[in-house]
Amino acid sequence: QQPVQSPQAVILREGEDAVINCSSSKALYSVHWYRQKHGEAPVFLMILLKGGEQKGHEKISASFNEKKQQSSLYLTASQLSYSGTYFCGTEGLSDTGKLIFGQGTTLQVKP
Amino acid sequence: KAGVTQTPRYLIKTRGQQVTLSCSPISGHRSVSWYQQTPGQGLQFLFEYFSETQRNKGNFPGRFSGRQFSNSRSEMNVSTLELGDSALYLCASRRGTGQETQYFGPGTRLLVL
Repeated sequence: QQPVQSPQAVILREGEDAVINCSSSKALYSVHWYRQKHGEAPVFLMILLKGGEQKGHEKISASFNEKKQQSSLYLTASQLSYSGTYFCGTEGLSDTGKLIFGQGTTLQVKP
Repeated sequence: KAGVTQTPRYLIKTRGQQVTLSCSPISGHRSVSWYQQTPGQGLQFLFEYFSETQRNKGNFPGRFSGRQFSNSRSEMNVSTLELGDSALYLCASRRGTGQETQYFGPGTRLLVL
């Protein structure tokens, strides 16, 4: 039931791009993306809704393939501030309101 | 607009004791969810409350319980604490339930000795 994220960890240089994937085995109502820095709470990045609507940051984009129950988060021209752990949270059609998170992807951006 | 607040921020308890954590959602938000975060298990869903009713529940033992008040504030209680309950407990609020952006509070760090 827990979504699966890949890769588990990524190391980038400033200015490089990254893609983080999230895959679920159940029909999804929405996908949420968060970034968490060490010792802090998760911060909202993006929400993708069944039906195609997206809301989130300007510099971060994401996709949601409803047929495959997969989502990808695209980080372009990465900055040092992008470092942290990225979580996808999925909300199923059968249990709306219950947001289940993947195991996280650790992203490190180096100068 | 003030964010989600949680009290206390840090707590130390001993095995067998019980603990109550509090969460005040963003004004206008009626849904509150609770999560347990540990290095080994990640972010795990505990339960969700909406308009004082528990709508969803995760796979935690009955020692974990919660409630929501008419002003949407929520409390979480853990009875008979175990060492494994040491974790960061996060609450998150959103306006409604389903397809809504959820905002996290700073969390309560619980250490059980």
